[in-house]
Amino acid sequence: EDKVVQSPLSLVVHEGDTVTLNCSYEVTNFRSLLWYKQEKKAPTFLFMLTSSGIEKKSGRLSSILDKKELSSILNITATQTGDSAIYLCAVGVGGYSTLTFGKGTMLLVSP
Amino acid sequence: EAGVAQSPRYKIIEKRQSVAFWCNPISGHATLYWYQQILGQGPKLLIQFQNNGVVDDSQLPKDRFSAERLKGVDSTLKIQPAKLEDSAVYLCASSLAGTSLETQYFGPGTRLLVL
Repeated sequence: EDKVVQSPLSLVVHEGDTVTLNCSYEVTNFRSLLWYKQEKKAPTFLFMLTSSGIEKKSGRLSSILDKKELSSILNITATQTGDSAIYLCAVGVGGYSTLTFGKGTMLLVSP
Repeated sequence: EAGVAQSPRYKIIEKRQSVAFWCNPISGHATLYWYQQILGQGPKLLIQFQNNGVVDDSQLPKDRFSAERLKGVDSTLKIQPAKLEDSAVYLCASSLAGTSLETQYFGPGTRLLVL
């Protein structure tokens, strides 16, 4: 059975801190790893990492895929209160875009 | 570009009642997904459509859940009869062609509470 594990499950930091969120996976036929940010309800897409694109960066957010260690990290620098959300990691397997999600990391950034 | 639309946003029903959710994907997206997200968990795929055909429904509780996408565009998910454990957010997502190197875009979800 495909498995995606995120850590920590929750995290509280102060504004301005840097945080690192972790995602590890055990799946057959890995194709992609995606990070989503979930505020209130709908997950919004952040990054997709694949064998041909193992590092992505957008503003204060960056992510790296380690295919050897079967894991990924999501870094957020200079955190802001607006970064408070649940961050979901999902792994795409097989030819179709079946995603297996982790439980998420709940991040709270205090002012 | 309009996003994925879902309705209703909230629904409260009693156990053993039936309920239906509606989803309209992003225009031109061939693949549509229904996920169930229980509080404290990540989304779990219930069913995946490619146009109007089912690609994966292995985690759909078929004794009570059903879904259709008759014209290959919008879709409905039905629960009949509902159980307490069906209380969750039901998310609809769509992607362009359904390959594993595509992004899935999510709708705002429907929060279901079964009393």
